[in-house]
Amino acid sequence: GENVEQHPSTLSVQEGDSAVIKCTYSDSASNYFPWYKQELGKGPQLIIDIRSNVGEKKDQRIAVTLNKTAKHFSLHITETQPEDSAVYFCAASRMNRDDKIIFGKGTRLHILP
Amino acid sequence: DTGVSQDPRHKITKRGQNVTFRCDPISEHNRLYWYRQTLGQGPEFLTYFQNEAQLEKSRLLSDRFSAERPKGSFSTLEIQRTEQGDSAMYLCASSLSQGGNYGYTFGSGTRLTVV
Repeated sequence: GENVEQHPSTLSVQEGDSAVIKCTYSDSASNYFPWYKQELGKGPQLIIDIRSNVGEKKDQRIAVTLNKTAKHFSLHITETQPEDSAVYFCAASRMNRDDKIIFGKGTRLHILP
Repeated sequence: DTGVSQDPRHKITKRGQNVTFRCDPISEHNRLYWYRQTLGQGPEFLTYFQNEAQLEKSRLLSDRFSAERPKGSFSTLEIQRTEQGDSAMYLCASSLSQGGNYGYTFGSGTRLTVV
């Protein structure tokens, strides 16, 4: 089955700097890669996703990149703000094949004042 | 629609007791998923339904766990003879398996503590 590895497990960046979280996946048939943000006491919230037919996607201060050949994908947050502090999860799935989403172990992002 | 609702938010139970959690998905979503999350880990897949049919169960779902979605709307997850290792956050999510929108919407979870 699919295995998603995520790093780093903890990341601290100065407010206003950029943050990058990297993930790898094992199943070459995976074709959908969502990113979730989880705040304390809440369930994960989808913040951006990318499909295998696209190499990059951007939404305001967040962007995701996908390298299918290397089975790598990354989340980039620019101009970080205090409200970006949270746990971020990458995930992978074989959508269109009735498959579930498999999550990485998460990255705790701290935005330092 | 207020999103995915889970009840209760917190549950403390003694080892050996049975517990049941409820999830109300977004009304137009036909898929419903249960995940378990322990401290410092990502959500782990347990099972999912398309309408009322349970399509897949993880090996994590022992015989003590059972899930139902009787009318394709709300779902329940029951754990029998709870063990301390069952202590975790149980997350429910729903999605619409058509229209090209694959994202899950998660509820806030039920935190189970077995003492």
